[in-house]
Amino acid sequence: EDQVTQSPEALRLQEGESSSLNCSYTVSGLRGLFWYRQDPGKGPEFLFTLYSAGEEKEKERLKATLTKKESFLHITAPKPEDSATYLCAVRGFYKAAGNKLTFGGGTRVLVKP
Amino acid sequence: DVKVTQSSRYLVKRTGEKVFLECVQDMDHENMFWYRQDPGLGLRLIYFSYDVKMKEKGDIPEGYSVSREKKERFSLILESASTNQTSMYLCASSLGVEGYGYTFGSGTRLTVV
Repeated sequence: EDQVTQSPEALRLQEGESSSLNCSYTVSGLRGLFWYRQDPGKGPEFLFTLYSAGEEKEKERLKATLTKKESFLHITAPKPEDSATYLCAVRGFYKAAGNKLTFGGGTRVLVKP
Repeated sequence: DVKVTQSSRYLVKRTGEKVFLECVQDMDHENMFWYRQDPGLGLRLIYFSYDVKMKEKGDIPEGYSVSREKKERFSLILESASTNQTSMYLCASSLGVEGYGYTFGSGTRLTVV
């Protein structure tokens, strides 16, 4: 059974204070690792997909990296508008139909000015 | 951009009522999903559908049913609403391609009184 664990559960940062979020996963045959951003009261918004170890993706102040056991979401010089919950999800190899993802519990990030 | 539209942002229903949550996507995605999201429990899969009239139980299907008569529409039905079904409900869609990410709707906040 696929498992995803995110740490820390919550992160408080000062504006400009860079940090990293961790997503550890156990999956049978990784077919994709996904990062989402979720604002309060809204649905998750897609950020990145990573498919193989060593891969990196960037978007503004966010950079996602992937190893064989974990992924990191680096937030460089964050701004208050980066405050959100960040979700990690994986897709493993299944014989059954349907593109199911397994989600982690998320990391709540608060960036104070 | 793919859009996933959930018919209601907020709903208040009485215990014992039959409740319908509607979700429509506009990009011909094969897969559609219903999740509920609760504090401390993360995203939990209720049901998913990988094709018209096809459905599969997720992790917490008890007390729910689904309907997919057309490719673009996926309905979640609470047969007899209970207070423990008060939650944020999220619909998502995806191509039927392994490793393809989800697009989420904005969510429906359901309160059962």
